[in-house]
Amino acid sequence: GIQVEQSPPDLILQEGANSTLRCNFSDSVNNLQWFHQNPWGQLINLFYIPSGTKQNGRLSATTVATERYSLLYISSSQTTDSGVYFCAVAFGNTPLVFGKGTRLSVIA
Amino acid sequence: NAGVTQTPKFQVLKTGQSMTLQCAQDMNHNSMYWYRQDPGMGLRLIYYSASEGTTDKGEVPNGYNVSRLNKREFSLRLESAAPSQTSVYFCASSGTGFGQPQHFGDGTRLSIL
Repeated sequence: GIQVEQSPPDLILQEGANSTLRCNFSDSVNNLQWFHQNPWGQLINLFYIPSGTKQNGRLSATTVATERYSLLYISSSQTTDSGVYFCAVAFGNTPLVFGKGTRLSVIA
Repeated sequence: NAGVTQTPKFQVLKTGQSMTLQCAQDMNHNSMYWYRQDPGMGLRLIYYSASEGTTDKGEVPNGYNVSRLNKREFSLRLESAAPSQTSVYFCASSGTGFGQPQHFGDGTRLSIL
């Protein structure tokens, strides 16, 4: 099955800094989603982005499906951005495969 | 604007006991899912229901059963709980099929002693 690797596994930032999280996957996909799990455990869907670029406020994501990676950009980070960011992928009408996540800590 | 609602939020069971986790969504979604989340493992799919009246196994179905009661509700049952089933359980829903954005409930933290 598809393998999903996220990097880095852990990231510590000063408030106001920018960051890039990466998601690599082993096979072709036509479904890629980014999720944020906040410190209270809630999972929020950030982007559905099988290809191209999308932006939502300080967050943006780019997926280059032909090169099998996706990037999540966080600009001007805030303490509320802390948590774990998951990438999940699939091809066709098959279940999403989740990566192990990147744990982000933003320090004031 | 509830979205996906899971009950209970926390539960402690003894080995061998049974229980049912409840999930309901008010987004008129056709597809619903049950995942478990273990430390360092990400999320793994237990069962899913592509539409009302259908259910299918995911990656880790052993020890679980599901019921799609109607379009809104999808329950997960542990018939004889085992310590290996200690986990956080998430329910999610989406438009029809996996190729749609999934929206999650707040999770159920289950401990089995």
